[in-house]
Amino acid sequence: QKEVEQNSGPLSVPEGAIASLNCTYSDRGSQSFFWYRQYSGKSPELIMFIYSNGDKEDGRFTAQLNKASQYVSLLIRDSQPSDSATYLCARSGSARQLTFGSGTQLTVLP
Amino acid sequence: GAVVSQHPSWVICKSGTSVKIECRSLDFQATTMFWYRQFPKQSLMLMATSNEGSKATYEQGVEKDKFLINHASLTLSTLTVTSAHPEDSSFYICSPRGRGLSETQYFGPGTRLLVL
Repeated sequence: QKEVEQNSGPLSVPEGAIASLNCTYSDRGSQSFFWYRQYSGKSPELIMFIYSNGDKEDGRFTAQLNKASQYVSLLIRDSQPSDSATYLCARSGSARQLTFGSGTQLTVLP
Repeated sequence: GAVVSQHPSWVICKSGTSVKIECRSLDFQATTMFWYRQFPKQSLMLMATSNEGSKATYEQGVEKDKFLINHASLTLSTLTVTSAHPEDSSFYICSPRGRGLSETQYFGPGTRLLVL
């Protein structure tokens, strides 16, 4: 079982729709979770992190964490073509190192 | 956010040569440096962790004698790929952490290595 699992996609949504990205993790002791966006050929950009159960909102992005279900999600509202990228879910280990999922490729269709 | 630079941004070299990649934290002191690599169509994988002034800790499957990490100062860490081979072709990305920083984890812009 992989430590962090994501659906690889690809996921396509029309412009203006809500994109929903999901991630599960195996280590119940995991504390912090991160969502990164990575454009082709570029380094990952942090979208947001979450460590408390519930929702965390930042602009068009909402991260949701459910520790009982070991589930993290990212919602992107009003999706734009510029949101087309690979989205990486990661958990932070005891030494703050990150373990990444395989990423979900999102395409927002104009 | 934290400012991190990497140099070079890309490098092409012949098989058997060594390549040094520099990672600098420009606006904070990096007490810890994580080095990741990303093969095409794959996700980031942690290679090693180094703390300033200490030897690096390597992840399973990463050869410490092949990937030399130096973290001699709080603003500079280097990764040297020794005797590079085509299978070492990858995207190498550093991620520094400093004292007092929040949970936010920043990445350098990455170095793309192509070994011919």
